[in-house]
Amino acid sequence: LAKTTQPISMDSYEGQEVNITCSHNNIATNDYITWYQQFPSQGPRFIIQGYKTKVTNEVASLFIPADRKSSTLSLPRVSLSDTAVYYCLVGDWVVSSGSARQLTFGSGTQLTVLP
Amino acid sequence: GAVVSQHPSWVICKSGTSVKIECRSLDFQATTMFWYRQFPKQSLMLMATSNEGSKATYEQGVEKDKFLINHASLTLSTLTVTSAHPEDSSFYICSATSSGGAYNEQFFGPGTRLTVL
Repeated sequence: LAKTTQPISMDSYEGQEVNITCSHNNIATNDYITWYQQFPSQGPRFIIQGYKTKVTNEVASLFIPADRKSSTLSLPRVSLSDTAVYYCLVGDWVVSSGSARQLTFGSGTQLTVLP
Repeated sequence: GAVVSQHPSWVICKSGTSVKIECRSLDFQATTMFWYRQFPKQSLMLMATSNEGSKATYEQGVEKDKFLINHASLTLSTLTVTSAHPEDSSFYICSATSSGGAYNEQFFGPGTRLTVL
């Protein structure tokens, strides 16, 4: 069971690049790393997913070192609307016999973007 | 993109009553749906995994007789909180994935706020 550790909170200013790191020392071979964004009283929203090295999409980049024991979410130029809780999720839900590996959400990082 | 809805968005009930929460995938077939619970200022905790047409798999510590999950079709899963008590008050979130294979992206619903008086 991969336990994850994230900073509880981070502050940034508009226009800056923000990097949030998640530690997952016990990540299993089949586990993927996924990052979600959650606003208050809403369901999480998918940001990015990766297995190793670097992944980039239109909103973020995800850096995963070779040992995969950590990952870093990079938000290039944050705005006020990026203020939210960011979760890293490590797991693999290969379904067999009606069961799936447990999916472990980190404690989340409250990102506050200041004007 | 894939959309998941939940109904109701919020519910208030008296202690001892049962509450049903629906989770629907609106534009895709969800072979697997997940139910999470989130207490204030805390992370999401996976409660159970449900696969269409089969019994749900519950995480350790989650009472399957209290949290009844039914996944009768590829677009609908329901969570029934039976004999609800104030400690069951929480934010319940479902998610769905469109394939039972590997690392598929989960699509989350908007959540249901349950308050038990």
